Amino acid sequence: RKEVEQDPGPFNVPEGATVAFNCTYSNSASQSFFWYRQDCRKEPKLLMSVYSSGNEDGRFTAQLNRASQYISLLIRDSKLSDSATYLCVVNRYSGAGSYQLTFGKGTKLSVIP
Amino acid sequence: NAGVTQTPKFRVLKTGQSMTLLCAQDMNHEYMYWYRQDPGMGLRLIHYSVGEGTTAKGEVPDGYNVSRLKKQNFLLGLESAAPSQTSVYFCASTLGDYYEQYFGPGTRLTVT
Repeated sequence: RKEVEQDPGPFNVPEGATVAFNCTYSNSASQSFFWYRQDCRKEPKLLMSVYSSGNEDGRFTAQLNRASQYISLLIRDSKLSDSATYLCVVNRYSGAGSYQLTFGKGTKLSVIP
Repeated sequence: NAGVTQTPKFRVLKTGQSMTLLCAQDMNHEYMYWYRQDPGMGLRLIHYSVGEGTTAKGEVPDGYNVSRLKKQNFLLGLESAAPSQTSVYFCASTLGDYYEQYFGPGTRLTVT
């Protein structure tokens, strides 16, 4: 299994739709989980951290299932401005007391008028 | 706060030339990173630093060197550029292992 694997996409959805992204990770010792958003030709920016109990930020809901090593992101009432690539990010122990972030390849979302 | 800044934004090099990319952060972060991003490959870690004066290799370190002489700056050097190093380079910084990383705007490098 790849370290972080995401739906390949692209997802093309109409405005107002609900869309869900899934991500699996291979390292059971991972302790921090994030969703990042990357607009075309821009840097990745943090969308939200993912907590064990699940968390919500407006139209965005993130879930974590440690037993299945699975992370999800749900976007409700999609807006045109949600069009971007969404990166699933997981930390892993890299030795010498240090953790690194591993980035999924991303899922591209296009919200259509 | 400017956050994380990178210079230059764009650069074209010829094979064999050298250059240094500069990353600066004003958030007093201990950890800093250099990534490259290529189509279909996602972000890959080149080198990182967990504090002033320290550096370590990431996933794809060959052909690159780094230095962290000051806490706020992290330099990435290409000693002899190759076409395979054509990429977008991102610098990032963070407070520590369990925190989110903040990225700079990137440097687009083309090696001909």
